[in-house]
Amino acid sequence: GAGVSQTPSNKVTEKGKYVELRCDPISGHTALYWYRQSLGQGPEFLIYFQGTGAADDSGLPNDRFFAVRPEGSVSTLKIQRTERGDSAVYLCASSSIVFAGANVLTFGAGSRLTVL
Amino acid sequence: SQQGEEDPQALSIQEGENATMNCSYKTSINNLQWYRQNSGRGLVHLILIRSNEREKHSGRLRVTLDTSKKSSSLLITASRAADTASYFCATGRNAGGTSYGKLTFGQGTILTVHP
Repeated sequence: GAGVSQTPSNKVTEKGKYVELRCDPISGHTALYWYRQSLGQGPEFLIYFQGTGAADDSGLPNDRFFAVRPEGSVSTLKIQRTERGDSAVYLCASSSIVFAGANVLTFGAGSRLTVL
Repeated sequence: SQQGEEDPQALSIQEGENATMNCSYKTSINNLQWYRQNSGRGLVHLILIRSNEREKHSGRLRVTLDTSKKSSSLLITASRAADTASYFCATGRNAGGTSYGKLTFGQGTILTVHP
């Protein structure tokens, strides 16, 4: 697509529930990133994929968080047993390596997760 | 964890004035980028400077990089009300000989430009 698409844009859930957030990156972008942003903070790295594999998942806070990208395009961030502290905007970004040899990210609009 | 620290945390100026935001980082980098964010949603890439460069220009934007001090500055000249946004620096490091790898963002500077 023309841009990075994230769904849903807003998700309200109850503590303990399971949530899936979806990201559809720019066509042809091999790298896909997930960040989490709390109010008043900068984006916090969670995980990034090169193709289908997770190249770096060091930012996932605990084993309740998991992300997949089975065909190297769309990715899903999965959160089990949600907690109130998981409330944040979850940002997805994709990149192509061709710009100046560095990974310039194109971000989606984000999915705002609220855990009651 | 956040690598970069921006200052000031908030900046309020009048239209036509220049705005300068600073970023400091801790580890060696391959490149440093600046992003802009409106209304707490998606970020937009503004400019990239590589570790072997000292200064870059793009329109009304000027970025400097001092790797000896591990710091960068973003200057927006002749600011406009539409420049009101949050600005973030992000650092990237080489990973396995390429520039693939995560970008680590700072806390951001909130810029308000009054008409």
